[in-house]
Amino acid sequence: AQTVTQSQPEMSVQEAETVTLSCTYDTSENNYYLFWYKQPPSRQMILVIRQEAYKQQNATENRFSVNFQKAAKSFSLKISDSQLGDTAMYFCAFMGPGTASKLTFGTGTRLQVTL
Amino acid sequence: EAQVTQNPRYLITVTGKKLTVTCSQNMNHEYMSWYRQDPGLGLRQIYYSMNVEVTDKGDVPEGYKVSRKEKRNFPLILESPSPNQTSLYFCASSSDRGHGYTFGSGTRLTVV
Repeated sequence: AQTVTQSQPEMSVQEAETVTLSCTYDTSENNYYLFWYKQPPSRQMILVIRQEAYKQQNATENRFSVNFQKAAKSFSLKISDSQLGDTAMYFCAFMGPGTASKLTFGTGTRLQVTL
Repeated sequence: EAQVTQNPRYLITVTGKKLTVTCSQNMNHEYMSWYRQDPGLGLRQIYYSMNVEVTDKGDVPEGYKVSRKEKRNFPLILESPSPNQTSLYFCASSSDRGHGYTFGSGTRLTVV
């Protein structure tokens, strides 16, 4: 079974600074997808960024980018120019090969952006 | 607007009183799932469905039932709720693996 580990329960960053959230996963599969979801205080789950395992190029979405290290099974999220609206819980998630039947989540990292 | 709609947003009930949380999606997605979110545990899958009349257990199915009679609807049923089912519940849907899941806005359930 796949597992996803987020080792940082809480992090803090000042506005306009850069922060990196860590995620590691365990799988024997070669073809999979990785995701980062954001959950603000409104509790809505919002997809931030996705990465296909067979693409070596790291995904980027505006201020959000990932560092995908397939051999190390690492998938970190970098937030540049942090804004107060980035304050949220961030979840790393894994979807394996085959069907879209299951998304496996990490336990989350709570990010606080301060002035 | 493409969305997953679940109701109610908040629910307080008593132990043993059957309840249903509804979920509907308007994106014609084949895959639908229910998750529960608990502090320190992340989101855990309860049940999923790959199409009409096709459902299967996730990681924490005990105490829950689902049905998929229509493609758009995927209700979650708690036949006899217990306090350990107090949680935040999410319904989600997907068209394929590459797009992950689109989530509903969540249902905060409290069982007393």
